Amino acid sequence: KQEVTQIPAALSVPEGENLVLNCSFTDSAIYNLQWFRQDPGKGLTSLLLIQSSQREQTSGRLNASLDKSSGRSTLYIAASQPGDSATYLCAVNTIQGAQKLVFGQGTRLTINP
Amino acid sequence: IAGITQAPTSQILAAGRRMTLRCTQDMRHNAMYWYRQDLGLGLRLIHYSNTAGTTGKGEVPDGYSVSRANTDDFPLTLASAVPSQTSVYFCASSRLAVNTGELFFGEGSRLTVL
Repeated sequence: KQEVTQIPAALSVPEGENLVLNCSFTDSAIYNLQWFRQDPGKGLTSLLLIQSSQREQTSGRLNASLDKSSGRSTLYIAASQPGDSATYLCAVNTIQGAQKLVFGQGTRLTINP
Repeated sequence: IAGITQAPTSQILAAGRRMTLRCTQDMRHNAMYWYRQDLGLGLRLIHYSNTAGTTGKGEVPDGYSVSRANTDDFPLTLASAVPSQTSVYFCASSRLAVNTGELFFGEGSRLTVL
């Protein structure tokens, strides 16, 4: 059974810092991995999707990497801003029983002005 | 604006009552999903539908039913609500079922069962 872990559960940094959020998964047989952002009381917004054949994806100040063999992904946020404060979740689309994404518990990020 | 619409956004319900959460998407996506999100448990899949006319059980299907009469709509029904079904419910969709590609979410329906 696929398990997805995100560490740390919460992170607070000053504005302007570059930061890395971590996601690990136990079953490397995946189709893809997705990073989402969730603001309080809102739905999830897709940030980046990495297919299993890819090593990284970039969108603006965000860069996500994937090391399938080691079961790890990182989300790099450059030059953080207070507006980046949110919960960030990763989800893995597993080949076995591939009817669902398996989500991590998320990292709650706070950027202090 | 294309996307997923959920209704109601919030509801308080007496235990034992029947409740249907509505979900409509206008992206012509094949696959649709219902998740519940609970503190400490994260997002868990309740039911899914790979295409109109088919449905399947997710991780926590008991007490819930779904139907997929057409591509756009995917209602979730609680036949007899219980307090443990208090949660935030999210509907989602993706263009494909297998190797889902990007997943799109609605804004959620907050349900409280008393």
